[in-house]
Amino acid sequence: DAEITQSPRHKITETGRQVTLACHQTWNHNNMFWYRQDLGHGLRLIHYSYGVHDTNKGEVSDGYSVSRSNTEDLPLTLESAASSQTSVYFCASSFDKGSYEQYFGPGTRLTVT
Amino acid sequence: GIQVEQSPPDLILQEGANSTLRCNFSDSVNNLQWFHQNPWGQLINLFYIPSGTKQNGRLSATTVATERYSLLYISSSQTTDSGVYFCAVVSNFGNEKLTFGTGTRLTIIP
Repeated sequence: DAEITQSPRHKITETGRQVTLACHQTWNHNNMFWYRQDLGHGLRLIHYSYGVHDTNKGEVSDGYSVSRSNTEDLPLTLESAASSQTSVYFCASSFDKGSYEQYFGPGTRLTVT
Repeated sequence: GIQVEQSPPDLILQEGANSTLRCNFSDSVNNLQWFHQNPWGQLINLFYIPSGTKQNGRLSATTVATERYSLLYISSSQTTDSGVYFCAVVSNFGNEKLTFGTGTRLTIIP
């Protein structure tokens, strides 16, 4: 079955370290998204991509970067982790631009100490 | 940007009861989804319903796009229905991002 996976599921890192969270989907979807979920803020968009080599900033993109070298993967990198980036991170994908359902991965819980 | 409001914020019900959750949004949308976030944090797709009515077992949803609201109905509640229910929309005027409401926390008591 097609699916969307994230790894690791849990990570603890130290302030200042570079961290990469992986997202992999097997639906052959063009669109991929990264959201973070925090108490009191709901889910907010970090970065998104409409296809290979396309990346765009979302509403909370500072301190994060993404790259899209193939259809299946959109890794999220925290260049220098900060305590404010402690959160639960969700990756999502949808077929294409327009009115299509988004599907979410299981999430990665990141703690920055 | 588009605003999404959900009500009620919290709901506590006895097992077997029925409930209605509401989602209001401030602008026209081309995508509306309902999710259930279970106690383990997983976001489960319930409905993709930019307009009309859909049913899936004990759950059903209705979106009236012209009046900018959607309703999620849960009948004969079970303890496994507990969790947070989110409504999320994609505005007709912007990128493809989902804007989430703040959710309704549903607790089903045995």
